[in-house]
Formats: sequence, C-alpha cells, structure tokens
Amino acid sequence: GQQLNQSPQSMFIQEGEDVSMNCTSSSIFNTWLWYKQDPGEGPVLLIALYKAGELTSNGRLTAQFGITRKDSFLNISASIPSDVGIYFCAGQSGGNEKLTFGTGTRLTIIP
Amino acid sequence: SAVISQKPSRDICQRGTSLTIQCQVDSQVTMMFWYRQQPGQSLTLIATANQGSEATYESGFVIDKFPISRPNLTFSTLTVSNMSPEDSSIYLCSLAPGQIKDTQYFGPGTRLTVL
Repeated sequence: GQQLNQSPQSMFIQEGEDVSMNCTSSSIFNTWLWYKQDPGEGPVLLIALYKAGELTSNGRLTAQFGITRKDSFLNISASIPSDVGIYFCAGQSGGNEKLTFGTGTRLTIIP
Repeated sequence: SAVISQKPSRDICQRGTSLTIQCQVDSQVTMMFWYRQQPGQSLTLIATANQGSEATYESGFVIDKFPISRPNLTFSTLTVSNMSPEDSSIYLCSLAPGQIKDTQYFGPGTRLTVL
C-alpha cells in the first residue's frame, strides 16, 4: 500500500528558529494536508493543498504541494513555544476521501 | 468547522471486555471515519462509517473486532471487542464536511488502555 515518509523524525530547535519538514510518497496524491497534534488531543488541520505546485501560507506556516505530486513540505518561521507538538502530513488520492498519514515529525523547542 | 465530541475521553479496561466509543457532530456531515493511533505512532484508518449501511473496513480490520454503527448523519459509534493489551491506542473519529474538497477534521480522541 501507499506509504508516506516524513523527515526529520524529530527536531530540537531554539525559539525563533525556522523549521522545515517534508513528506514523500511512493505514489501520486491529489491532495496534501498538514496537521499538528498536541498531547492528548486530536490532530488539528493546519494547511490544505489541492494542486501540484500550490504554495499556501497560514500565518507563520507555509506549505507546498510538490510538482511531481509525490511530495510536500511545511515550513514554520520564527518558531514559538506553542509550535511544540507532532506534525503529520496526509495525502488523499483516487477520488475517495481516505487519508494516508505520514510517520510524523516531533518538534521540540529547547529553552 | 463542525464541532466533534467523543465519549469517553479515556478509559482503562480489562482484557476480554468490550468498549463502545461515541462520536457526535454538531451538524450533518456526509463522511465519517474511525482511526487508530497506537502509542508513538501515526494514524491508521480503521473504517469509513456509512450512514444507514455497513461500514467499509480497511485491510487488517474486521467487523467482528471493530463493529461500527452510524444511525444518522451526526452520530457514529465504534466498539472495540474482546480487547487485549494490543488494542491500547487512541481512537479518533473524523469527518469530511463535503463542502471543502478532501478536508478532514478530527475529534479529540479516546485514549484506551487495556490491562
């Protein structure tokens, strides 16, 4: 089946630094979604991407849908303590609603 | 976006028992799903909860173990049957509102521990 690999698996950064993470797939997706999950909570949708090459921002977050439709990246600028959590990419293909989730990137901010 | 609630938020259960998890949405939605998130892992789709008909299960998940009901467009239940410690996970419902293409929103999850 489809697999989504996220990298890096974890990140340790200082407050104020920029963050970049990406997601790659063995197959093509029609939609890419990025979620953030805090401990004890469900994932919260951050950004949705619907077209190859699309670049979308949400505040300090920017995400892009790769031209090949097999990858996506998420950037966070000027990180703040509330950015701590696990970030998941998710892809959708084939005209149905099912999502395939990436392996996750755990972001930690070092005091 | 729709407000999604799940009950219970967490539970500790004994091996061999069953637990039913409820998912309630504050508006009618077309698509509802159930996911499992094992400790430290990503989310895996269990099934699509179809309104008025049997759920559609993903490979590796069966109705006898995870019976699902969806009596209307705002409510669904997932039962984890004959539990074992391997069933200890977070179980999440999600919805696709339909108005926004291919977007899904998640409930807060139910954290299940099986002893």
